[in-house]
Amino acid sequence: DSGVTQTPKHLITATGQRVTLRCSPRSGDLSVYWYQQSLDQGLQFLIQYYNGEERAKGNILERFSAQQFPDLHSELNLSSLELGDSALYFCASSRAGDSYEQYFGPGTRLTVT
Amino acid sequence: TQLLEQSPQFLSIQEGENLTVYCNSSSVFSSLQWYRQEPGEGPVLLVTVVTGGEVKKLKRLTFQFGDARKDSSLHITAAQPGDTGLYLCAGEGNSGNTPLVFGKGTRLSVIA
Repeated sequence: DSGVTQTPKHLITATGQRVTLRCSPRSGDLSVYWYQQSLDQGLQFLIQYYNGEERAKGNILERFSAQQFPDLHSELNLSSLELGDSALYFCASSRAGDSYEQYFGPGTRLTVT
Repeated sequence: TQLLEQSPQFLSIQEGENLTVYCNSSSVFSSLQWYRQEPGEGPVLLVTVVTGGEVKKLKRLTFQFGDARKDSSLHITAAQPGDTGLYLCAGEGNSGNTPLVFGKGTRLSVIA
């Protein structure tokens, strides 16, 4: 158990819908990262928050947004969902603002039908 | 753009055999991390290497960081079925705050 929690574990929704994925980092970690993993693309970095502020942005679509709250939990919002958004979404956390040693949650499997 | 190439993509071996998987780049990384991921689970951090030429051992697993900090290898001795999984390497950039760059992984299957 990494100490990072993610909910829900599975999510099935229809195209055009909007969903919210939630992540709680390990106790004491200030950074939260979001990744998308699909079979053909591997693990793709989406966005990082550090102590409530956006720190780095990767290949995140405009339909996707995230935020980190004062209690350091984070949410990833995915809207206008398309079939191609079906993937595993992982949250990871680390102590500081750099990427050193990230600890991953169990992931949310999103299926868009 | 920093890229990490992992090889081989797939590896299927018998229990008890030794194996090495590789992680290569043309870029220099300040650190390199190895993760193992099992189906439906999140990646689990195995080790971090920081110094060029560094060798770290974790039971039957030996990790090496290249002298130039551009490549790394993972050697498993006497593989066991429990070693089965996706092995990912991830590099931390050498300039400022850059996100981890992940390779696509080596999928290892150890057959009893």
